Amino acid sequence: QVQLQESGPGLVMPSQTLSLTCTVSGGSITSRNYYWSWIRQPAGKGLEWIGRIYTSGGTNYNPSLKSRVTISLDTSKNHFSLKLTSVTAADTAVYYCATLWEGLFRFWGQGTLVTVSS
Amino acid sequence: QSALTQPPSASGSPGQSVTISCTGTSSDVGGYNYVSWYQQHPDKAPKVIIYEVSKRPSGVPDRFSGSKSGNTASLTVSGLQAEDEADYYCSSYAGSNVVLFGGGTKLTVL
Repeated sequence: QVQLQESGPGLVMPSQTLSLTCTVSGGSITSRNYYWSWIRQPAGKGLEWIGRIYTSGGTNYNPSLKSRVTISLDTSKNHFSLKLTSVTAADTAVYYCATLWEGLFRFWGQGTLVTVSS
Repeated sequence: QSALTQPPSASGSPGQSVTISCTGTSSDVGGYNYVSWYQQHPDKAPKVIIYEVSKRPSGVPDRFSGSKSGNTASLTVSGLQAEDEADYYCSSYAGSNVVLFGGGTKLTVL
């Protein structure tokens, strides 16, 4: 069973870069036939898919965030990461990492709250 | 691409059935059988309850069922129980390597 755990700063200054890591346990990140994905949820609002990365390193992003998002993979640390640049208060949300395959987000992390504020 | 359309709320009494719709377009819900449904209790991560339109992961009660007609997918919860009170989200592959979510439906068990 795959387990995921998000980590990173809970507070980011406006205009700065949000950086989060998702650590994968229960097997090697490269041995799983998954895309590794990020999703976010502002307080009281719905889910928004941010993007995904495959074990080959190929990425796909939500067109609405594409200009500001980078997802990367670190196989030596068995984790993948999210960077979101030029953040504003609208980027304040709970950020989840999850596995994705054929439209199915099967395994999720517990989520981490990131607040954008000065 | 726009978010999929769900009713903001739904409700039913214990034992009753309730159906939640998820409307998209021929480019997403109508074009692929990769529609999933997620249950989210307060302050918890979402949990998949239906995938590929109508398949249930092991451990999900058969009170939960999914279907699709044209550009609209539906989740039916039969024999409502108190623990079914939660937010429900649909998602769909939308082509061009993009995934969409619905806006979510708050299910209240009266």
